[in-house]
Amino acid sequence: DAGITQSPRHKVTETGTPVTLRCHQTENHRYMYWYRQDPGHGLRLIHYSYGVKDTDKGEVSDGYSVSRSKTEDFLLTLESATSSQTSVYFCAISEDRGEKLFFGSGTQLSVL
Amino acid sequence: QKEVEQNSGPLSVPEGAIASLNCTYSDRGSQSFFWYRQYSGKSPELIMSIYSNGDKEDGRFTAQLNKASQYVSLLIRDSQPSDSATYLCAVNEPYNTDKLIFGTGTRLQVFP
Repeated sequence: DAGITQSPRHKVTETGTPVTLRCHQTENHRYMYWYRQDPGHGLRLIHYSYGVKDTDKGEVSDGYSVSRSKTEDFLLTLESATSSQTSVYFCAISEDRGEKLFFGSGTQLSVL
Repeated sequence: QKEVEQNSGPLSVPEGAIASLNCTYSDRGSQSFFWYRQYSGKSPELIMSIYSNGDKEDGRFTAQLNKASQYVSLLIRDSQPSDSATYLCAVNEPYNTDKLIFGTGTRLQVFP
């Protein structure tokens, strides 16, 4: 996967606990994205970043926050996890705005 | 609501046949179109991009774009069992080109 690492790969947590997912890239790409993928819904954008400290919301941003303090790292935080946030989370990077995305391996998150 | 529509399938084709995958999009302002392939349990990978009306060929893959009718298609010639995967159509959000909108994907099954 084009220099993208997601961690953890799997996580099980309880309702109400905070969770942070990490995306790390070695490609020095400007754009980074967090998607979630659920059966019947496809890939939906949560948040994205267009530079260090520059982020914007996607279509399903409620309950999620992000931070990007360095070019290579993009963090996704679930402030208080709910069962509806059980999903597969993908990080993606792009060299140019909205153009060819390269995806990480994904994080399977289960909220019990 | 900006939408990208795909038939969920499965689309079953015999080995060696042509597989035809279709996608329609709702916003005429979209300018960039992509096809991603996703094997079960894996992350999406980019296989084709197209920006102009007409056909674009890459090996066994041909992407077709018709902006007037707002559809984009993917043809896979000489289909192989290894082509069995879910194919995701993605379209850029026209007034915020940082973002891609994904369809829910079409599952392709190629049988020997």
